[in-house]
Amino acid sequence: DVKVTQSSRYLVKRTGEKVFLECVQDMDHENMFWYRQDPGLGLRLIYFSYDVKMKEKGDIPEGYSVSREKKERFSLILESASTNQTSMYLCASSFSRTYNSPLHFGNGTRLTVT
Amino acid sequence: DQQVKQNSPSLSVQEGRISILNCDYTNSMFDYFLWYKKYPAEGPTFLISISSIKDKNEDGRFTVFLNKSAKHLSLHIVPSQPGDSAVYFCAASGAYNQGGKLIFGQGTELSVKP
Repeated sequence: DVKVTQSSRYLVKRTGEKVFLECVQDMDHENMFWYRQDPGLGLRLIYFSYDVKMKEKGDIPEGYSVSREKKERFSLILESASTNQTSMYLCASSFSRTYNSPLHFGNGTRLTVT
Repeated sequence: DQQVKQNSPSLSVQEGRISILNCDYTNSMFDYFLWYKKYPAEGPTFLISISSIKDKNEDGRFTVFLNKSAKHLSLHIVPSQPGDSAVYFCAASGAYNQGGKLIFGQGTELSVKP
């Protein structure tokens, strides 16, 4: 069974801090994604990666960056955390690029920025 | 602007009855649609998908219907079971080979009462 592990379940950070959210998958998937989930907005794509060292912007990349140095690990970086980045962050991976290759999500990191 | 809309935030159904979850979209370039289910404190899990060349796809108790002219899709669960109580997200994609790049709706919370 695919496992996507996010390093923290809950995180509280101060405004202006640099924040790292880590995600590891154990199924040798090529593709990895970062989404955030907010009430009334559903899930929105921040960044994704179809290969190691590769990254592409999603729909809401402002204020974020990512790193993918190894196939199994995809990190989301908040360069200078702001209160509007308080959210649930969900990492996902998938086997192939076809539309029906399901996303396998981690359990999420609830980030609060004060 | 929300390109994928789930206008019902919640739905309550008796066990054994049919649950119908609805989703509307505005972008005619969307060709692929998926449903995900999310339990509290867990990441979403893939449920079922459909491409625009079909108008129906079935998997056990779950059937997705697509009406392209109306830009509307629905998920039917028959019969509903208490374990189906969860938040359901519909999602859309515009390209066959850009799996994972999804536009999600806001979610509908389904409650199935025994």
